[in-house]
This record gives sequence, C-alpha cells and structure tokens, in this order.
Amino acid sequence: DTEVTQTPKHLVMGMTNKKSLKCEQHMGHRAMYWYKQKAKKPPELMFVYSYEKLSINESVPSRFSPECPNSSLLNLHLHALQPEDSALYLCASSQAEGSGANVLTFGAGSRLTVL
Amino acid sequence: GQNIDQPTEMTATEGAIVQINCTYQTSGFNGLFWYQQHAGEAPTFLSYNVLDGLEEKGRFSSFLSRSKGYSYLLLKELQMKDSASYLCAVQDSNYQLIWGAGTKLIIKP
Repeated sequence: DTEVTQTPKHLVMGMTNKKSLKCEQHMGHRAMYWYKQKAKKPPELMFVYSYEKLSINESVPSRFSPECPNSSLLNLHLHALQPEDSALYLCASSQAEGSGANVLTFGAGSRLTVL
Repeated sequence: GQNIDQPTEMTATEGAIVQINCTYQTSGFNGLFWYQQHAGEAPTFLSYNVLDGLEEKGRFSSFLSRSKGYSYLLLKELQMKDSASYLCAVQDSNYQLIWGAGTKLIIKP
C-alpha cells in the first residue's frame, strides 16, 4: 500500500460547525504532515507529527487542532473556522522527519469551504 | 530570508523539450525536490538532488548546481498530460521544506 488516504474529499461547513479531516497511511511512515494550500500557491506547512508526537506547529490558529491517535492515523479537528480558511488541506507522510531524501507522499486532499 | 524563485508560467508544444528553472537562497541545504501537481490534485514526487549534476529518470531529468543555488527540471517528448504545476522545494539546514510558488506548464498541441 503506497497511498495516503484522506476523507472527506469535499467539506462545506459553517463558521459555527465542528468537523474533522482524517488521514491514513499504511506505509510504516513515522512522520505525518498537514499542509494548507490556496489556489495557485505552494503548500503551507501547518503541523508535523514525528513518531506520533507533535514536533512542529507553524503558529497555526487554535481553531485547527491536530491529533495523531496512532502511527497510521492523523486527524485535523476544525472549529469556528473563518471563510479565509477555505482551502485544500493536504495530508502527507514520509519515512522519518529530518532525514536525507525525505520524500513526501501526499494524499489527494480535502477541499474545505467555510461559509 | 529564505527564497525560492521559479517562473510563474511556461508554454511548450507537444513533443518538444522544456526546461523549468529554480533558483534558491536558503539557510543551509539538504537537498532539492521537484514535485508535479495537476490542477485540483495532490503533489507527486518527481526527483531529488543533493549532489551537483544531472539525475535522469525517463523523460524527466533534474540538474543541480549548489554553488550557483540553481536547479532545473528538463521534460522531454512533452505529452499533453504533462500540463501541470511543477514545484521546486529545498530542504534547509533543519530539514524543513521551503517551497517555491510553482511553475504552471501549459502544453499546446
């Protein structure tokens, strides 16, 4: 299995809703990432988990809350989002953080629209 | 500061060759990646260079010159499916990925 699976593919939510994005990989990768990508822009790193522990939080607002229940799963909990948070949310994994050729395998993304 | 520059958009003809350049200024260097991203899809890994020189992989090749802070991605025998954005990314001294804004490649018949 060489894939990263993200659900849902599309999500529309109001500013008062609580929702979650889910990500799963079974490649034995020990690093998992959340990226946010706006149209025609490169991915922006949000969070990195290394061996199931949060290693990087790129000053992301607290309305985004990551969770890594185990080495294969990564969640992003969303609460009280703003319309400007509408974007493609990409999950990625790699063998280990901070290694040489740290190739990221990305999921297909969850396209989020906040009304 | 850290900076990666690549052209915003390029156009090429099916069957031709195109070179996409990337220049970088980063805090340290631990390798340079090229990713391909079709519209609305996730990026996919194309190549990794950490030493100077050319890496060839089928129709795609990637070149690196560390002294010049320069890389290019060479695409040969262009096909319509190569229409995509090509993202250059550098791992800095902390192994953090610094991304370029991407080059949108348009292939015309």
